[in-house]
Amino acid sequence: DTGVSQDPRHKITKRGQNVTFRCDPISEHNRLYWYRQTLGQGPEFLTYFQNEAQLEKSRLLSDRFSAERPKGSFSTLEIQRTEQGDSAMYLCASSTSDTYEQYFGPGTRLTVT
Amino acid sequence: QKEVEQDPGPLSVPEGAIVSLNCTYSNSAFQYFMWYRQYSRKGPELLMYTYSSGNKEDGRFTAQVDKSSKYISLFIRDSQPSDSATYLCAIYNQGGKLIFGQGTELSVKP
Repeated sequence: DTGVSQDPRHKITKRGQNVTFRCDPISEHNRLYWYRQTLGQGPEFLTYFQNEAQLEKSRLLSDRFSAERPKGSFSTLEIQRTEQGDSAMYLCASSTSDTYEQYFGPGTRLTVT
Repeated sequence: QKEVEQDPGPLSVPEGAIVSLNCTYSNSAFQYFMWYRQYSRKGPELLMYTYSSGNKEDGRFTAQVDKSSKYISLFIRDSQPSDSATYLCAIYNQGGKLIFGQGTELSVKP
């Protein structure tokens, strides 16, 4: 049983650059979630998909952020014109639509210099 | 007021101690409660979840929910150094998202 995977694990970028992260959920899971976690805080919800459809977006997800899940399998999260405040761990989780248990990947740690 | 409040600690206990971790929440409509464990620089790992009030036990871990006081707890018996991690309470909000507490950092000393 393969868990949730994320790529890259670490990303260092300069302010103003665009970055894209990928998440591969557990294969039979039709729901996929993105969260952001800053140091000393719990994860904060960003958005989630059921199959290809993006069903909810947090107000935290400014217009510089976009997420896609084009074929209902993997998902990408893009941040345009990165700012230092975007430095955080970006976590992906997946679940089925008939359970409440979400399983997390290892995260992508973003550092904006 | 945050929807979920959790004392960040840090909490340090000797090996073998009973650990009590707690969260409070504000919305009485919440019904699904979860505990995650997160090791440094790793993703959260689901430990347990409970529905509504009552207790649930899994090995050395017991999750407890008191909906009348909007209080959730995780007890760890016979704590081990390998239990040293950050423990996050989370509440499932209808609509799909989890609302997390700040996390409590636990250190179990040999």
